[in-house]
Amino acid sequence: LAKTTQPISMDSYEGQEVNITCSHNNIATNDYITWYQQFPSQGPRFIIQGYKTKVTNEVASLFIPADRKSSTLSLPRVSLSDTAVYYCLVGVDFISSGSARQLTFGSGTQLTVLP
Amino acid sequence: DTGVSQNPRHKITKRGQNVTFRCDPISEHNRLYWYRQTLGQGPEFLTYFQNEAQLEKSRLLSDRFSAERPKGSFSTLEIQRTEQGDSAMYLCASSLGDGSGNTIYFGEGSWLTVV
Repeated sequence: LAKTTQPISMDSYEGQEVNITCSHNNIATNDYITWYQQFPSQGPRFIIQGYKTKVTNEVASLFIPADRKSSTLSLPRVSLSDTAVYYCLVGVDFISSGSARQLTFGSGTQLTVLP
Repeated sequence: DTGVSQNPRHKITKRGQNVTFRCDPISEHNRLYWYRQTLGQGPEFLTYFQNEAQLEKSRLLSDRFSAERPKGSFSTLEIQRTEQGDSAMYLCASSLGDGSGNTIYFGEGSWLTVV
């Protein structure tokens, strides 16, 4: 399973763009990169998923370089309510040859948005 | 709301008692996961079902833990002879399992406190 490395914490101010980078040096060919957001006492909430290049949705963008050994979650114009833990996951929920691979969470990045 | 539903949301039990958590996945999802999360840590994989078949179990799932998904729909996670170390949030998640990235959606979790 590909291991991920993220900064433990980041601080930002309201209205700024925040970029959180995740390293996953041994990502496999079939692996997708998925980011989740988690507030205290709640389950993780899906933010965005990608395989290569750039993916954008209504809440975030995900940048993946050609070698796919890292990825960057970009949150535009953060607000106080974006204060949460952000997890980068690498893996694929995919049955191949009769075996399943589970997604593994790291420790996440605690993002604190300051007024 | 058609998200992943878990109940009870909170459970306080005495050491040695048995507890059972229920998870109702998103209706068309054929894959169901159980994770455990303790304070300050990312979720840890426990087990995974494809329809009614339990395909993977983590070594974290001791013999006091049992999970079932009898008809391939809802699932239960039972913990027998609870110990204080079992205190955690138990997360259920589900995914469609069509091999294309398979976004996993989490429920709000069930908090267990063993006293």
